[in-house]
Amino acid sequence: NAGVTQTPKFQVLKTGQSMTLQCAQDMNHNSMYWYRQDPGMGLRLIYYSASEGTTDKGEVPNGYNVSRLNKREFSLRLESAAPSQTSVYFCASSETGVFTSTDTQYFGPGTRLTVL
Amino acid sequence: EDQVTQSPEALRLQEGESSSLNCSYTVSGLRGLFWYRQDPGKGPEFLFTLYSAGEEKEKERLKATLTKKESFLHITAPKPEDSATYLCAVQASYNFNKFYFGSGTKLNVKP
Repeated sequence: NAGVTQTPKFQVLKTGQSMTLQCAQDMNHNSMYWYRQDPGMGLRLIYYSASEGTTDKGEVPNGYNVSRLNKREFSLRLESAAPSQTSVYFCASSETGVFTSTDTQYFGPGTRLTVL
Repeated sequence: EDQVTQSPEALRLQEGESSSLNCSYTVSGLRGLFWYRQDPGKGPEFLFTLYSAGEEKEKERLKATLTKKESFLHITAPKPEDSATYLCAVQASYNFNKFYFGSGTKLNVKP
């Protein structure tokens, strides 16, 4: 099992450019998440998807859109990148659902994004 | 407001010198508290989940405990390979998909 995979690993954008971060999991998990990690601020939830076909906002959704393409894949799109979106982005997945008893999140290796 | 505070921000220990990391939280209903380890340039790696006050979990040199307001990660006789950032997260009982992370404690164990 690969677990949670993310592409790309690194990306440099200019202000105003758009891009999509890709995430896939092979653990048949119900829930998927996008976080950003900034120095001194910990991980902050951008969006999450509790099941295929649903998405919801987290703490810091402004400037981002997401798509839960199927149960395996969850993408994050920056429509018009800004320097404030320079960060490390992590995707995670968990079994979390109505009848599950374990909610452990498993994280991908991250995407390091710089917006100039 | 739901939030998680970890202390200290950074901790330097000599090999073999035991210590504890603190995670204090305020959340409108706690479903679970999670500890993760994060190495530089990597994603967080799961260590423990605690669900109720008084619960304890152990793994090698690490032991996590939980009270109603905080959790501790005790490190006994640490080794240099324990050097990493340790993250704490709480899961809200009103929404199982809402997780709030602390900013972490960066642990450096010197040989």
